[in-house]
Amino acid sequence: QSVLTQPPSASGTPGQRVTISCSGSSSNIGRNTVNWYQQVPGTAPKLLIYSNNQRPSGVPDRFSGSKSGTSASLAISGLQSEDEADYYCAAWDDSLNGEVFGGGTKLTVL
Amino acid sequence: QVQLVQSGAEVKKPGASVRVSCKASGYTFSNYDINWVRQATGQGLEWMGWMNPNSGNTGYAQKFQGRVTMTRNTSISAAYMELSSLGSEDTAVYYCARAYGSQYYFDYWGQGTLVTVSS
Repeated sequence: QSVLTQPPSASGTPGQRVTISCSGSSSNIGRNTVNWYQQVPGTAPKLLIYSNNQRPSGVPDRFSGSKSGTSASLAISGLQSEDEADYYCAAWDDSLNGEVFGGGTKLTVL
Repeated sequence: QVQLVQSGAEVKKPGASVRVSCKASGYTFSNYDINWVRQATGQGLEWMGWMNPNSGNTGYAQKFQGRVTMTRNTSISAAYMELSSLGSEDTAVYYCARAYGSQYYFDYWGQGTLVTVSS
């Protein structure tokens, strides 16, 4: 049972826009920034979005993040086949005094 | 370029301990915390704790308190994670990750180390 709640799966066709939600509480998302990681199976996670909505260099602007209250979301526009991966949200939790992750969302490009 | 290179796969018996290393290069090792995250097969990411290479200070997830120790050797820019009293539930890929700044995001990750616990 993860502290942050994500849908287990999402899907879309090439070119579509997909959003993945991440729900938390006042002790994590409500007080701290949210980061998103992309993980292609068999490889290490990769930073995709940091500080709610910032993209590291090299991440396409098709990826965007937002946060409101105790929830956050990741949007992927112009979906491409190489976007097929697992996506995880994460935030620091002040009550647990540690980083917490969502359970992950498996994105399938149909 | 920043790199975190981890030690190789391990097979351990129940009750044993394992130590995984993470060698950093391409940046000033003491300036960034190292965190450890694990992932059981087919499961999500699980945070284990952090270590400040400059001070040696650590913080562990409650689940691992008393069983995990994170240390470093600054002379060779290496971080270590030791997990004791292993059980089958500890079979997982263990990652080290560099934490950036006060926003504390993990900008670089090691390649992962598979630890298998089996009798």
